[in-house]
Amino acid sequence: EEQLVESGGGLVQPGESLRLSCAASGLSVSTNYMSWVRQAPGKGLEWVSVIYGGDSTYYADSVKGRFTISRHNSKNTFYLQMNSLRVEDTAVYYCARSEGGFRDWGQGTLVTVSS
Amino acid sequence: EIVLTQSPDFQSVTPKEKVTITCRASQSIGSSLHWYQQKPDQSPKLLIKYASQSFSGVPSRFSGSGSGTDFTLTINSLEAEDAATYYCHQSSTLPWGFGQGTKVEIK
Repeated sequence: EEQLVESGGGLVQPGESLRLSCAASGLSVSTNYMSWVRQAPGKGLEWVSVIYGGDSTYYADSVKGRFTISRHNSKNTFYLQMNSLRVEDTAVYYCARSEGGFRDWGQGTLVTVSS
Repeated sequence: EIVLTQSPDFQSVTPKEKVTITCRASQSIGSSLHWYQQKPDQSPKLLIKYASQSFSGVPSRFSGSGSGTDFTLTINSLEAEDAATYYCHQSSTLPWGFGQGTKVEIK
């Protein structure tokens, strides 16, 4: 059974950094399109970033230059390094695996950016 | 960037009624359009992939149609457990994106 488990969320101040992890089981992060999707409190879903193929990456404009997606194939885990965090980055962050649609989702990890 | 616009934003429906949600893309995306259901405090769940393909385990009352720029999610004979917010998502062109969501309430 495929499973994704996020970790690393928490409370940080504006300008600080945080790294989220997504551990996969039952699927390989190295051969799939792996994404981060976030949801601000009471708001809709926002796609954030994807890693695929030979470490190709893409980002939403809202996080480009501040966030970095990466993966560790032997740990079957991928990451989201979030730098220069802003209040508007406050959200539940989900990791997800796509085959066209996002077929597998983690349970989400809450990131709160507040002074 | 492709923008997805859903309508309506909110719908209040009685059980057994038929629900139709539309998603319009700002440019043609072929059939690379997917639908999700999200209940409060839960992760989203894939319902329909590639416009009309039902995902494994999804009840048959959920169906999708459309191509190009106009897509529809239909829920036949709504059940109480279908109260949720529904989102469309395009995977045709990066950056990927979601519609703003349609909240379905049971009367």
